Amino acid sequence: RKEVEQDPGPFNVPEGATVAFNCTYSNSASQSFFWYRQDCRKEPKLLMSVYSSGNEDGRFTAQLNRASQYISLLIRDSKLSDSATYLCGVYNFNKFYFGSGTKLNVKP
Amino acid sequence: DAGVIQSPRHEVTEMGQEVTLRCKPISGHDYLFWYRQTMMRGLELLIYFNNNVPIDDSGMPEDRFSAKMPNASFSTLKIQPSEPRDSAVYFCASSPTRDREETQYFGPGTRLLVL
Repeated sequence: RKEVEQDPGPFNVPEGATVAFNCTYSNSASQSFFWYRQDCRKEPKLLMSVYSSGNEDGRFTAQLNRASQYISLLIRDSKLSDSATYLCGVYNFNKFYFGSGTKLNVKP
Repeated sequence: DAGVIQSPRHEVTEMGQEVTLRCKPISGHDYLFWYRQTMMRGLELLIYFNNNVPIDDSGMPEDRFSAKMPNASFSTLKIQPSEPRDSAVYFCASSPTRDREETQYFGPGTRLLVL
């Protein structure tokens, strides 16, 4: 079983829509969680960390559900510029594990 | 800060040739990571260093792969001999600490194509 799993998508949504991604992780002792954004042919860049209490950054909200071992990313009022692949990252025992990414296409 | 620097950005080589990828981490970062990304397998950690010392190389696919970090500002990933299945994007990342509030900063990657 993979350490981190994501639905590869693509998620095709119209501008202004709300979209949510989930990411499941297998190790219940995982310590830290992150969402990265990766544009086509670019490197992953940190979008936001995910805290136990949930956190928000503008149109983006990240949540952690330890009981069910998943993290989520909610994007409100999606923009064309949000089109990218979103990778979740999980840190445990001195290693980072990444999901394969969920592709988002925001269309006019 | 210039960020993590990788070279070359693109590499095309023939099967059996030696390939050397280079990375300069962000100054002051204690950790350096090498990743490989493919469509099939996603982003995989190959090896990471702490203060120039290799800590975990369990992700290195086989003996054809080797990595070194001779000083705090330079690391190499070498593939010898290269094979077509090594074709991928190789990312180097650095991190100032392993504290949970910190994370990794990726370089632009090296796109490797082995023919």
